[in-house]
Amino acid sequence: DAGVIQSPRHEVTEMGQEVTLRCKPISGHDYLFWYRQTMMRGLELLIYFNNNVPIDDSGMPEDRFSAKMPNASFSTLKIQPSEPRDSAVYFCASSKTGGAPNEQFFGPGTRLTVL
Amino acid sequence: RKEVEQDPGPFNVPEGATVAFNCTYSNSASQSFFWYRQDCRKEPKLLMSVYSSGNEDGRFTAQLNRASQYISLLIRDSKLSDSATYLCVVYTGGFKTIFGAGTRLFVKA
Repeated sequence: DAGVIQSPRHEVTEMGQEVTLRCKPISGHDYLFWYRQTMMRGLELLIYFNNNVPIDDSGMPEDRFSAKMPNASFSTLKIQPSEPRDSAVYFCASSKTGGAPNEQFFGPGTRLTVL
Repeated sequence: RKEVEQDPGPFNVPEGATVAFNCTYSNSASQSFFWYRQDCRKEPKLLMSVYSSGNEDGRFTAQLNRASQYISLLIRDSKLSDSATYLCVVYTGGFKTIFGAGTRLFVKA
């Protein structure tokens, strides 16, 4: 079975450019999570969805960040405009909860560098 | 104070040693707890769940102490392959997850 798929795996862009990160969760999973990982701040939850609906976006750092989940098999995280401090590894994870917290399966991550 | 705190280490231990990590959390309403393992430049992967009654999986044992608000992970008979960063995870409300900063473990021959 395919795991969580993220694209691109690496992205290098210049400050001010728009960046779109993509995620395909595991089929049948009802929760999708977006995380950011840096050396300074560790792994931070940005937003999570339940059945394609955003539930908690309190971790989104500012209005430059937005996330969507138009259907059960696709989600995007967009940064516009990007800044050098956005450089990090962005992970997407999905989970089949059955009503209670359960294992989250992480994608391989997108390593973003903003120059 | 951070909501979830871990000793960052690193812990440097010889093969065969027993090593223990602790993780403290501040929200007494937290309900679910897990340990994840992350290898260098890889994604986190579930190691084990943590229950009030304790949870053992081979050489790994996880415990929850609600009164003192901490969870622990014990690794017995350490292997070289156990070298990784160990992340504790706390669910604080609904499905909102908070990860600790991680504890780095190096097992040497």
